[in-house]
Amino acid sequence: QQQVRQSPQSLTVWEGETAILNCSYEDSTFDYFPWYWQFPRESPALLIAIRPVSNKKEDGRFTIFFNKREKKLSLHITDSQPGDSATYFCAASVTNTGKLTFGDGTVLTVKP
Amino acid sequence: NSKVIQTPRYLVKGQGQKAKMRCIPEKGHPVVFWYQQNKNNEFKFLINFQNQEVLQQIDMTEKRFSAECPSNSPCSLEIQSSEAGDSALYLCASSLGGQDTQYFGPGTRLLVL
Repeated sequence: QQQVRQSPQSLTVWEGETAILNCSYEDSTFDYFPWYWQFPRESPALLIAIRPVSNKKEDGRFTIFFNKREKKLSLHITDSQPGDSATYFCAASVTNTGKLTFGDGTVLTVKP
Repeated sequence: NSKVIQTPRYLVKGQGQKAKMRCIPEKGHPVVFWYQQNKNNEFKFLINFQNQEVLQQIDMTEKRFSAECPSNSPCSLEIQSSEAGDSALYLCASSLGGQDTQYFGPGTRLLVL
């Protein structure tokens, strides 16, 4: 059973639109949820992260909305730019191990 | 920007050969993780260390894979007898602790022919 699921697999938006990437998880002991983005031929880089004490985390154009009861979170990218085109991974971990469990990623394409 | 260093960036081995890759964690980060990312972008946790001690590892790691993080030397991940299915991007990440952000190195891309 996959512990972290992402949808959609791929998403195309026009420049200036808001992209919404979804993530859900199974393990209620997860207490840290980072989002990483990965560009072709590069390694993942941290974009933004949230802990369950909050239901929202904002950093510029990037916002995480978190629903602990439903075990769901989403990443909203407002005013999308072509440079935002990348694969986005939702991950989750438990503090005492730190081991990250990743979703399968959403490939975002922003068309100019 | 991550300051985790991984070498080599690319590694080509024949089946049955040993493959060894190294990682220097970000300065001051005592926790090191190794992940495997396959061609389908799926991540698999392999092993993690706090200083020189293994915290957690998966069964696959215990059989053909070995890893260590000696003091004052780079961490390393070695595959004793490479198989075609081991072809992947091997990512090293470091952090201050279990609850802290993991920063990834550039990865070692292994191709097993």
